[in-house]
Amino acid sequence: DQQVKQNSPSLSVQEGRISILNCDYTNSMFDYFLWYKKYPAEGPTFLISISSIKDKNEDGRFTVFLNKSAKHLSLHIVPSQPGDSAVYFCAASGNQFYFGTGTSLTVIP
Amino acid sequence: SQTIHQWPATLVQPVGSPLSLECTVEGTSNPNLYWYRQAAGRGLQLLFYSVGIGQISSEVPQNLSASRPQDRQFILSSKKLLLSDSGFYLCACSDGYSNQPQHFGDGTRLSIL
Repeated sequence: DQQVKQNSPSLSVQEGRISILNCDYTNSMFDYFLWYKKYPAEGPTFLISISSIKDKNEDGRFTVFLNKSAKHLSLHIVPSQPGDSAVYFCAASGNQFYFGTGTSLTVIP
Repeated sequence: SQTIHQWPATLVQPVGSPLSLECTVEGTSNPNLYWYRQAAGRGLQLLFYSVGIGQISSEVPQNLSASRPQDRQFILSSKKLLLSDSGFYLCACSDGYSNQPQHFGDGTRLSIL
C-alpha cells in the first residue's frame, strides 16, 4: 500500500523555466513532509521540508507547497538549471516515514 | 557531519548465493540506522531499522536479515538470494531523536542472475 505517491515518473523542463513536481499522500496523520534529490549511483540528499502547520516553505530556488485538505504537496524549482536533473523523492512522516516512488526531472539546456 | 560508507557499490550474485552488505557511519554516536531498497519503478522501501546495538526492527517479511554488531555498523544479509532481491540498497542514518533518515550512503546496486 503506497501511502505516498508521485504519479509522474518523469518530467522534462527547459532551462530557466519552472519545474513543478507533485506528490499525494493518503494518511492525514502525517505531520512533516520532505523532498530528497537523488543523482544516479548516489544516495538521496535532503532538499527541503515543510511542517503540517505551514502551507509554504521557501529556500532559494526551491519552494514546497502543502495543501492539507487535498493531501497534496508540490516542489517548485525556479529557475530550473541543468544541474537540477535528478530523481526527486517526496517523503512523509508521522509515526512512520514513507517515501514516494520518485520523479525523474530532466532540465534541458 | 555524518558520513555513511557503504560497500560494495555494485554486486552481481547468482540466485541462491549468500549476501552481506556492510554500512558504517562516521561523525555521530547512537544513530538510528536504516536499510532501504529501491526496486525498479518503486519508491524507497524501508527494510530494517535499528535504534541501538542488537536492536533490529523488520518492516517487511522477506528472506533478508539485518544485524548491528556495533553502534555504527549495520549489516544486511541473506542466506539465499532470490531474483526478486535485485535492486538498489541504501543505508541511512538519523540522530537518535528522529525517525526521518537524514543522511544516506551511496548505495549498492545488486543484480541477481
